[in-house]
Amino acid sequence: DIQMTQSPSFLSASLGNSITITCHASQNIKGWLAWYQQKSGNAPELLIYKASSLQSGVPSRFSGSGSGTDYILTISNLQPEDIATYYCQHYQSFPLTFGGGTKLELK
Amino acid sequence: QVQLQQSGAELAKPGTSVKLSCKASGYTFTSYYIYWVKQRPGQGLEWIGYIYPGNGGTYYSEKFKGKATFTADTSSSTAYMLLGSLTPEDSAYYFCARQGLPGSWLFAYWGQGTLVTVSS
Repeated sequence: DIQMTQSPSFLSASLGNSITITCHASQNIKGWLAWYQQKSGNAPELLIYKASSLQSGVPSRFSGSGSGTDYILTISNLQPEDIATYYCQHYQSFPLTFGGGTKLELK
Repeated sequence: QVQLQQSGAELAKPGTSVKLSCKASGYTFTSYYIYWVKQRPGQGLEWIGYIYPGNGGTYYSEKFKGKATFTADTSSSTAYMLLGSLTPEDSAYYFCARQGLPGSWLFAYWGQGTLVTVSS
């Protein structure tokens, strides 16, 4: 199985700032990487797929990058509605696996 | 629009089973995979597996083989997951989700989740 390691697990940031979350895969996933946002009490929502493609309706302050085993989610100009937990997920092969999550809080 | 409506919360005793439902609307039910995901409160996401309603094909992640059983009723556009031999470790939220574009293994649309509590 491909293991997905996210860092940091917790992140505190101020409104208007930019943040980055990293996701490391235990083997080359060839860009088959998605990011999800989960707000408290809700189901996750797809933000980014194929490492850098923005899902329809997702604000452009979200962006993704990376290749091979290492990927980054960047949120620019942090807004109050961005407070959530973020998960990466690979879809290179079965089983599909998620990272452990990064909880984003306001400083 | 695509919607997945899940059944309500369940309280079950250890050793019993529960059957969760996920009613789909807004698209052709038989054309997309339905996934199931487990999330213990305050914890991360675990993929249980999928069912393809078009032909009833299923896949179970190794950890959930023997624990979960997927079925689908195409007449009502509803997917089901049976969880058997329940233990307290099965207490969690369970989400159904639909794949994105055909051929993509993305969780593009999600149900609201069903909370299962296993307690004597």
